[in-house]
Amino acid sequence: SQTIHQWPATLVQPVGSPLSLECTVEGTSNPNLYWYRQAAGRGLQLLFYSVGIGQISSEVPQNLSASRPQDRQFILSSKKLLLSDSGFYLCAWMNSISGNTIYFGEGSWLTVV
Amino acid sequence: DAKTTQPPSMDCAEGRAANLPCNHSTISGNEYVYWYRQIHSQGPQYIIHGLKNNETNEMASLIITEDRKSSTLILPHATLRDTAVYYCIVRVASNAGKSTFGDGTTLTVKP
Repeated sequence: SQTIHQWPATLVQPVGSPLSLECTVEGTSNPNLYWYRQAAGRGLQLLFYSVGIGQISSEVPQNLSASRPQDRQFILSSKKLLLSDSGFYLCAWMNSISGNTIYFGEGSWLTVV
Repeated sequence: DAKTTQPPSMDCAEGRAANLPCNHSTISGNEYVYWYRQIHSQGPQYIIHGLKNNETNEMASLIITEDRKSSTLILPHATLRDTAVYYCIVRVASNAGKSTFGDGTTLTVKP
């Protein structure tokens, strides 16, 4: 069966510090991968998606970047965090094996202080 | 992807059916309707999806109108654990690009 994991689950970082959130998918190959952000009490905002290794599409201009160094690995980064980067970050995957249904990870809470 | 409209909140009595509506008047012929729910501080959970026929699984039923411009998610016997935010999205099934979620409907099941 397929599983998705992301870490760390919670993170408190000072303004101006770097960020690295990691996501991996197991049990499948060549998935589409996504990073979403959710502000408190709001819907999900798509940040990045990737259809293959090294292929990243950005949906909104921001202080964040994404990379896909391996087929089932997706990393969300920032060189210098802003207060506005605080939120709940979700990684997700889909492919034909999932029936083109998107499945989400457990989420990572980031608080920038 | 087509835009969807959902009521911001709904209440339901425990044990009764919860009927959550979604409008998607600009849906295209090859776009599916997907439903997810999100319990606080967790990742969204897939519930069900459909193209034009009504669908049922162990979690819920999905009723899509004949013109496909709206749909209803039905939780037949709501429990307190069904309290969550429910998202309706429409997209092409094989879309290799993006999928967007709106603010959803906050369903509160009351004892």
